[in-house]
Amino acid sequence: GEDVEQSLFLSVREGDSSVINCTYTDSSSTYLYWYKQEPGAGLQLLTYIFSNMDMKQDQRLTVLLNKKDKHLSLRIADTQTGDSAIYFCAESINYGGSQGNLIFGKGTKLSVKP
Amino acid sequence: ETGVTQTPRHLVMGMTNKKSLKCEQHLGHNAMYWYKQSAKKPLELMFVYSLEERVENNSVPSRFSPECPNSSHLFLHLHTLQPEDSALYLCASSQDRVAGGYTGELFFGEGSRLTVL
Repeated sequence: GEDVEQSLFLSVREGDSSVINCTYTDSSSTYLYWYKQEPGAGLQLLTYIFSNMDMKQDQRLTVLLNKKDKHLSLRIADTQTGDSAIYFCAESINYGGSQGNLIFGKGTKLSVKP
Repeated sequence: ETGVTQTPRHLVMGMTNKKSLKCEQHLGHNAMYWYKQSAKKPLELMFVYSLEERVENNSVPSRFSPECPNSSHLFLHLHTLQPEDSALYLCASSQDRVAGGYTGELFFGEGSRLTVL
């Protein structure tokens, strides 16, 4: 079955770069996503990458996709205390319907120390 | 503000109670979802509705009963729950992939924190 794996915890110092890694199983995924969940809130899309891309950069965020190894990473440059949250990797799964369906990892809790 | 509103934000109920969770989206989407978020487990997809028809039910116990009266509203009716059902229940919406510009992005509400005593 489909599975998305990511490490559960990451701790960095303010100003350093954070790298959150994820592996997924479905090679036919069209899109891969990074969502952010702050305490007491729902998930919010940070960024996504189309499967025919290797890299996507958006301000402090860099997403790298290695399709051969089914590995996705999110790099946050100049990490700030406001970046402390849980980060979820997700892959899209198409069950043949017209709606999308996402499989999520367990989430990586990023702690940023001043 | 994500455009997806869930009520109530917190709910405490006994195992014999009947309650409902409500979700409303103001984004013009036509697919809506219920997810369950438990501690130390991945987000679990419970139900998917597309164009008000249920298209996915991931073997959810019958004590959870969804209802989608129109494309903007989604309910989750709860009946004789168990303590292990305590979790954060997240509603999400998306635009059907038939529409142009599809990216599969889900827009989540802030969740309803359910505690079953």
